[in-house]
Amino acid sequence: GEQVEQRPPHLSVPEGDSAVIICTYTDSATAYFYWYKQEPGAGLQLLMSVFSNVDRKEEQGLTVLLNKKDKQLSLNLTAAHPGDSAVYFCAVSVGGSGNKLIFGTGTLLSVKP
Amino acid sequence: NAGVIQTPRHKVTGKGQEATLWCEPISGHSAVFWYRQTIVQGLEFLTYFRNQAPIDDSGMPKERFSAQMPNQSHSTLKIQSTQPQDSAVYLCASSPRLGASAETLYFGSGTRLTVL
Repeated sequence: GEQVEQRPPHLSVPEGDSAVIICTYTDSATAYFYWYKQEPGAGLQLLMSVFSNVDRKEEQGLTVLLNKKDKQLSLNLTAAHPGDSAVYFCAVSVGGSGNKLIFGTGTLLSVKP
Repeated sequence: NAGVIQTPRHKVTGKGQEATLWCEPISGHSAVFWYRQTIVQGLEFLTYFRNQAPIDDSGMPKERFSAQMPNQSHSTLKIQSTQPQDSAVYLCASSPRLGASAETLYFGSGTRLTVL
């Protein structure tokens, strides 16, 4: 079945710097890609979703890149601020009826003021 | 829109007791998912309903765990004879199933289960 690796597990950046989180997946049939943010004591908040026909998507200071050749998905937070500090998860789905999301292992991002 | 509502937020049980976790999906969403989150295992899929029918329970432990969705407004996850290794945050999510086959999950805040 699909496996998702996420790195780095921990990331600390100064305020204003960019932060990059990378996921690699194994199933070339994977069709849907997601990034979620989890703050302490809270559930997962959907940040962005992309379909496999999209290579790049930007929204509100976030950039998602999808490299299907290398089966790699990345999230770039430009100009990070302390409010971005949280755990970030990538998730993928092969798609089709009844397909669940497979999550990466998470990245704890700390943005230092 | 109140989002996905999970109750209780925290539950403490003694070993061997039963625990029932509740989830109210977002109104109009057709799918409900249950995940378990631990430090060691991360986010593990447990089970999934669409239009109240069970679709995939491949992540559910074969013994002691059961899930139901008796109506479109709530789902329950029941753990019988709880064990310390069941301690985790149990997350419920619902999905509106936008598009042909996309599942976009909206999560509740979770129930933290502690088994003593």
